[in-house]
Amino acid sequence: ETGVTQSPTHLIKTRGQQVTLRCSSQSGHNTVSWYQQALGQGPQFIFQYYREEENGRGNFPPRFSGLQFPNYSSELNVNALELDDSALYLCASSLWSTEAFFGQGTRLTVV
Amino acid sequence: EDQVTQSPEALRLQEGESSSLNCSYTVSGLRGLFWYRQDPGKGPEFLFTLYSAGEEKEKERLKATLTKKESFLHITAPKPEDSATYLCAVQAYGGSQGNLIFGKGTKLSVKP
Repeated sequence: ETGVTQSPTHLIKTRGQQVTLRCSSQSGHNTVSWYQQALGQGPQFIFQYYREEENGRGNFPPRFSGLQFPNYSSELNVNALELDDSALYLCASSLWSTEAFFGQGTRLTVV
Repeated sequence: EDQVTQSPEALRLQEGESSSLNCSYTVSGLRGLFWYRQDPGKGPEFLFTLYSAGEEKEKERLKATLTKKESFLHITAPKPEDSATYLCAVQAYGGSQGNLIFGKGTKLSVKP
């Protein structure tokens, strides 16, 4: 059974640029969620995808968008990067509303 | 507003010194309460899910309990490898299934 994998592990971008983060769900899982974790804080819910449709969204602006593919892998896209977007981005997969399993995260630094 | 508060923010223990971490929550309707362990720079690692008041779950030196207002993570005779940040999260009815509301965590340090 493969776990949740994210790529890349680290990324440095310039303010105003766009970034795409990728996630492969755990085998057998059909739901993927994305979280943003600032230093010293708990993760904050960005959005969730189920059957390739957004199925819930937290308090994040539209420049945060996502995709889920038929194989349940997912992408998080962030446009017009701001300095405050610097954080650890976490992907979590689950089967329906059961326990969510997290990947190792992508550390994004915006300069 | 759904909310999770964890205390203390940081806890330093000697190896073998048992203690408890607290997670207080306010939620419109609790679907589930989750405990995770997070090592620096890593993603959270799932530990437990609790669904109803009175429920308890154990794993090695860890035991999680749940009441209608809070959850405790009891650590018995901790070892240095138990050092990590422990995160508590709640999932509410009516919200997105994936929407876990996290506390800020308790950073545990266990000294040999």
